Amino acid sequence: GQQVMQIPQYQHVQEGEDFTTYCNSSTTLSNIQWYKQRPGGHPVFLIQLVKSGEVKKQKRLTFQFGEAKKNSSLHITATQTTDVGTYFCAGFRGNTGKLIFGQGTTLQVKP
Amino acid sequence: DTEVTQTPKHLVMGMTNKKSLKCEQHMGHRAMYWYKQKAKKPPELMFVYSYEKLSINESVPSRFSPECPNSSLLNLHLHALQPEDSALYLCASSQAWTDMNTEAFFGQGTRLTVV
Repeated sequence: GQQVMQIPQYQHVQEGEDFTTYCNSSTTLSNIQWYKQRPGGHPVFLIQLVKSGEVKKQKRLTFQFGEAKKNSSLHITATQTTDVGTYFCAGFRGNTGKLIFGQGTTLQVKP
Repeated sequence: DTEVTQTPKHLVMGMTNKKSLKCEQHMGHRAMYWYKQKAKKPPELMFVYSYEKLSINESVPSRFSPECPNSSLLNLHLHALQPEDSALYLCASSQAWTDMNTEAFFGQGTRLTVV
């Protein structure tokens, strides 16, 4: 079945450094969503990408969807301690409507 | 109101107990979900309700029994659980589960410990 792989699993950065997490699917995705989960919290929707090659920005966060719609990335510029948490990509399995999460990348930011 | 409310926030239960988790949303969403999340793992889909009918059961053991009394409420009835069922149980809702251009709103979860 469709799998959504995410790397790296963990990332420790110094405050002010950049951070990137990558998401890869074994099959073409209709769209991809990104969620953030703070320690002890619940997943919170960040953004959805639908079009091939799409790039969206939210302040210091840049999201990309690959041309083949099989991969995506989230890049954070100049990380802050408030960026700490686990970032999940999520895609729908085929046309089932089942939202499947990647393994997540946990970001630690040292002040 | 863009909240999904889950109660209780924490629950400790014995393996012979019967308990229920509750979830409520007032966003008019017609799809509601139960996810299970173990520590340092992604959420795993358990059940999907669409228009108050069970649409997806991801081969979840029968000791977990979902119920959707109306379009705003979702329950998860627990009976004879095992210690390995201890996890964070997340409820989520979205406008419609077959619409893949819709975001999911998650509740804060119930942290369940089975002793």
